[in-house]
Amino acid sequence: AQKVTQAQTEISVVEKEDVTLDCVYETRDTTYYLFWYKQPPSGELVFLIRRNSFDEQNEISGRYSWNFQKSTSSFNFTITASQVVDSAVYFCALLSGTYKYIFGTGTRLKVLA
Amino acid sequence: GAVVSQHPSRVICKSGTSVKIECRSLDFQATTMFWYRQFPKQSLMLMATSNEGSKATYEQGVEKDKFLINHASLTLSTLTVTSAHPEDSSFYICSARDPSSSYEQYFGPGTRLTVT
Repeated sequence: AQKVTQAQTEISVVEKEDVTLDCVYETRDTTYYLFWYKQPPSGELVFLIRRNSFDEQNEISGRYSWNFQKSTSSFNFTITASQVVDSAVYFCALLSGTYKYIFGTGTRLKVLA
Repeated sequence: GAVVSQHPSRVICKSGTSVKIECRSLDFQATTMFWYRQFPKQSLMLMATSNEGSKATYEQGVEKDKFLINHASLTLSTLTVTSAHPEDSSFYICSARDPSSSYEQYFGPGTRLTVT
């Protein structure tokens, strides 16, 4: 079975704090892709990152960084020095051979000024 | 990146009527499109896979006679909610798969349906 678990339903932080959003996935496929999307109040999904199963290198993009660990089936997302504009719902998703996205339940991040 | 549009962005309809939502891939041909539904404060749930020129494949629990999907061209898929009821009120999102890639899918901006 394929599954994505985002155990954190809602997180509140104060501006400038660092925050990590957890994502744990399950799949039996050896080739798969992991994604993070941001969904602001407008509803449109904003693509943040894609990782394939053969690339475990961590990635940093500005204040965003991602930690992919196959040993623990995790693909965590860290925002450094959070800002109010980071407030949104963040979804982790898994894509494998069926071409169907499996979305986690999402983590609502509130960044307080 | 590729662009997927949806129309309308918001629609309000009366209970019992039907409403059509369009999903277009603007700069690539999408043989496969997907329709998702998202209830407030919930995740995206796949409703169906739309294949150009053939019948859609519906996920378990989705009523195919209620949610009619047509993928008549390589750039357009439509979702028609028939005999809509208030419980059909939701955010509907489509995505289009880029056939040149094994993984790329592009999401539309979504359509918020309110049934009164």
